[in-house]
Amino acid sequence: ETGVTQTPRHLVMGMTNKKSLKCEQHLGHNAMYWYKQSAKKPLELMFVYSLEERVENNSVPSRFSPECPNSSHLFLHLHTLQPEDSALYLCASSPRVFGTDTQYFGPGTRLTVL
Amino acid sequence: SQKIEQNSEALNIQEGKTATLTCNYTNYSPAYLQWYRQDPGRGPVFLLLIRENEKEKRKERLKVTFDTTLKQSLFHITASQPADSATYLCALANAGNMLTFGGGTRLMVKP
Repeated sequence: ETGVTQTPRHLVMGMTNKKSLKCEQHLGHNAMYWYKQSAKKPLELMFVYSLEERVENNSVPSRFSPECPNSSHLFLHLHTLQPEDSALYLCASSPRVFGTDTQYFGPGTRLTVL
Repeated sequence: SQKIEQNSEALNIQEGKTATLTCNYTNYSPAYLQWYRQDPGRGPVFLLLIRENEKEKRKERLKVTFDTTLKQSLFHITASQPADSATYLCALANAGNMLTFGGGTRLMVKP
C-alpha cells in the first residue's frame, strides 16, 4: 500500500446525481492532487493543493468541485456529470509541490456516468 | 507547446530479454525526470528519478538514461519477467514546478 486511500473504489452515477470522492493520505505530505485518467489518454492533472490552498486548477469544468479541509484529506464533489466524465480518478500526494518529489498515488475511483 | 511522447503501441518481448522504453519531449527543459509503473485499474507507482546532470541511474534490474541533447530518456528492464508486464509512464518537471506525465507505454513480457 502507498499510504494513500481512496473511496469508493467504484462508482456508478446518473447525470443528475451528486456524489463525492474521498482521498486520505497517511504520509504527512503537504501537497495533494486530483488526476483524471481516461482510456488511452495521458494522466490529466485536475487540481493541486499545497497546505490546503488550491495552487492549480487546470480549466476543469465547474461540475467538478474540490475541497481540502486539511492536509490529510481531499474531496472531489461531483454534480450533473456527463458520460464523457467516466474515467479513473486518481488522488496523489507528495511532500511538496516540486518536480523532485515523488508522487504517491491511491488506487483510484473508477467512475461510470450513465 | 510542451509535449511528452511515449510509444502508445504495446511493446511485446520474450521473457529474459531486455525491454527498452522511450520517452521523448519537445519544447521542454526538464530538470528532473521520473519513471512510474502502472498496473491495470491501479495508481502509478514510482520507480526511479534522474536529474538533468545525471546521465544514467540504476536500481536492481532497472536502468534509466537521460540525454538532454536528444531530449530523450530510455528506460531499460534487463532479464525481463512476465511480472514486469505493466504500463510505464515517464514524468518531467522543471525546477520548482510540478510533474507532467506522458501517456505511457504498455509492456507485455511473454513466458
